[in-house]
Amino acid sequence: QKEVEQNSGPLSVPEGAIASLNCTYSDRGSQSFFWYRQYSGKSPELIMFIYSNGDKEDGRFTAQLNKASQYVSLLIRDSQPSDSATYLCAVEGSGSARQLTFGSGTQLTVLP
Amino acid sequence: NAGVTQTPKFQVLKTGQSMTLQCAQDMNHNSMYWYRQDPGMGLRLIYYSASEGTTDKGEVPNGYNVSRLNKREFSLRLESAAPSQTSVYFCASSQTGRDGYTFGSGTRLTVV
Repeated sequence: QKEVEQNSGPLSVPEGAIASLNCTYSDRGSQSFFWYRQYSGKSPELIMFIYSNGDKEDGRFTAQLNKASQYVSLLIRDSQPSDSATYLCAVEGSGSARQLTFGSGTQLTVLP
Repeated sequence: NAGVTQTPKFQVLKTGQSMTLQCAQDMNHNSMYWYRQDPGMGLRLIYYSASEGTTDKGEVPNGYNVSRLNKREFSLRLESAAPSQTSVYFCASSQTGRDGYTFGSGTRLTVV
């Protein structure tokens, strides 16, 4: 049974702070990892993906992957109120359709 | 540039009624997916289609059927709706999986 676990939250940070979101996964064969942002009542949108161990930066977002520890994280620097959303971690399976298994999400609130 | 289009956006059904959720993508993607999202449980895969002509069960297929009508369209059918199927349903598509999914806007279904 493939599982993806996220810190349950909710998480509140003040504006300008760093928000840290964490995710662990159980399938050691997983190779691709994704972070989606979902605003209330909206569909998920892809914000980051990472395949290799280490850090990947895109603007204010940094994804970190440690395959040995089966751990992936997302850091949001200089958090803004517009970052307030639910963040979903997703792990790609090894099947032909590359189906994703999602965590239950972490709700982030950035306080002005 | 519509992306992934789902219809309807909202639906209320009585227990035992049937309905089909429609999904179409215009990005020439090979793979398509149906997920349901319930509070606190993240996105769970119902069915997926790796390519035109193939469909496979996901994590929660009971009570659902699917049809991959052509490369563009992937429909989800509830033959006899139950209150436990009250949820938000998302259709998604991808080309390689490594680029992540593009999601439709969702269908909010209530079964009474």
